[in-house]
Amino acid sequence: EAGVTQFPSHSVIEKGQTVTLRCDPISGHDNLYWYRRVMGKEIKFLLHFVKESKQDESGMPNNRFLAERTGGTYSTLKVQPAELEDSGVYFCASSQDLTDTQYFGPGTRLTVL
Amino acid sequence: QKEVEQDPGPLSVPEGAIVSLNCTYSNSAFQYFMWYRQYSRKGPELLMYTYSSGNKEDGRFTAQVDKSSKYISLFIRDSQPSDSATYLCAMCTGGGNKLTFGTGTQLKVEL
Repeated sequence: EAGVTQFPSHSVIEKGQTVTLRCDPISGHDNLYWYRRVMGKEIKFLLHFVKESKQDESGMPNNRFLAERTGGTYSTLKVQPAELEDSGVYFCASSQDLTDTQYFGPGTRLTVL
Repeated sequence: QKEVEQDPGPLSVPEGAIVSLNCTYSNSAFQYFMWYRQYSRKGPELLMYTYSSGNKEDGRFTAQVDKSSKYISLFIRDSQPSDSATYLCAMCTGGGNKLTFGTGTQLKVEL
């Protein structure tokens, strides 16, 4: 069974540009989470989808971040316009049920210059 | 003050040693406790998942939770070089909720 996949693995962009990160959860997992780790800090929660609905987006830093999960399958996280402080590793995780383990993807390393 | 405190290390031990990793937390609403292992350039991988206070054992790994002290531990017996990784504690208030992580402890097991 394929795990959680994320694309791209690494993205380098300039301040002010737009970047879109993609996450493909494990097939059949209704719950999808986005997390972020800024250098030197802990992994922090961004938001949680149940199917295509946003269940909790309390961790989204500001309105430059837009997450979508159309059709309840894969999800995208768009940063527009990117700022220097957005640099970090963005992780996606999925789980089958609310009480189930969250399985993490390998992350997308975003560098904003 | 962070909700979860974890010593970042690095921690270096000889092969075969017993390793003790710890986290403290301040939010008494946390009910579920996890330990993840993360190798370089990889995503976190779940090692242990506990709900109640007490011990849970899985092979060489033992997770311990003391809710009264708001303290959790992970013990690794007979440590191996392949155990070299960053160990992250994580917790949440209920199933399916957002995870709150510690900063992670970098462990190196040397031959």
